Amino acid sequence: ETGVTQSPTHLIKTRGQQVTLRCSSQSGHNTVSWYQQALGQGPQFIFQYYREEENGRGNFPPRFSGLQFPNYSSELNVNALELDDSALYLCASSTPARVPSGANVLTFGAGSRLTVL
Amino acid sequence: AQSVTQLGSHVSVSEGALVLLRCNYSSSVPPYLFWYVQYPNQGLQLLLKYTTGATLVKGINGFEAEFKKSETSFHLTKPSAHMSDAAEYFCAGSGGSYIPTFGRGTSLIVHP
Repeated sequence: ETGVTQSPTHLIKTRGQQVTLRCSSQSGHNTVSWYQQALGQGPQFIFQYYREEENGRGNFPPRFSGLQFPNYSSELNVNALELDDSALYLCASSTPARVPSGANVLTFGAGSRLTVL
Repeated sequence: AQSVTQLGSHVSVSEGALVLLRCNYSSSVPPYLFWYVQYPNQGLQLLLKYTTGATLVKGINGFEAEFKKSETSFHLTKPSAHMSDAAEYFCAGSGGSYIPTFGRGTSLIVHP
């Protein structure tokens, strides 16, 4: 089975620009979560998508938005980039479940490292 | 809401020594608890998880963790450290929410 793949692996943007990060979930997983991991910190929950709808959101402003597609792949979009947006962005998919559960194991991709100058 | 606290941002051990990484949780509901490991330039990988049942949980690579409700702890241990264990370790927990909260991480350094 294929794991979670993310693209691009690295990118550099300037303040005010927009960025789109992409994620392909593990085969059969229907839930995708996005996390922001700043240097030296633990992952911070951005939002989760379940069956193409946002299913929970962390403390991030509306300029962070996302999509989930029918094949369960997902995009994270960030508008009006700020310096503090520089981080590793992790996508994680979850084992199939009737509904998302706190017991679900997350399968992470290797991340997209965003640098904002 | 569930939260986890990892004590110590860095832990240094000699190869062959006991590894102990500390995690405490706070929650008003029974928690689901996890330990993940992150190697350089990689995503997080599950080591082990506690949901219900046996309080001593065995994971991959010889790691185990014990859920202690009286101490609200879920410390990670390994009897004998190996050089390949050097990595960042994250404790995570979820309770009433289905979204796990991650600790700040503990960097394990293994000396030869």
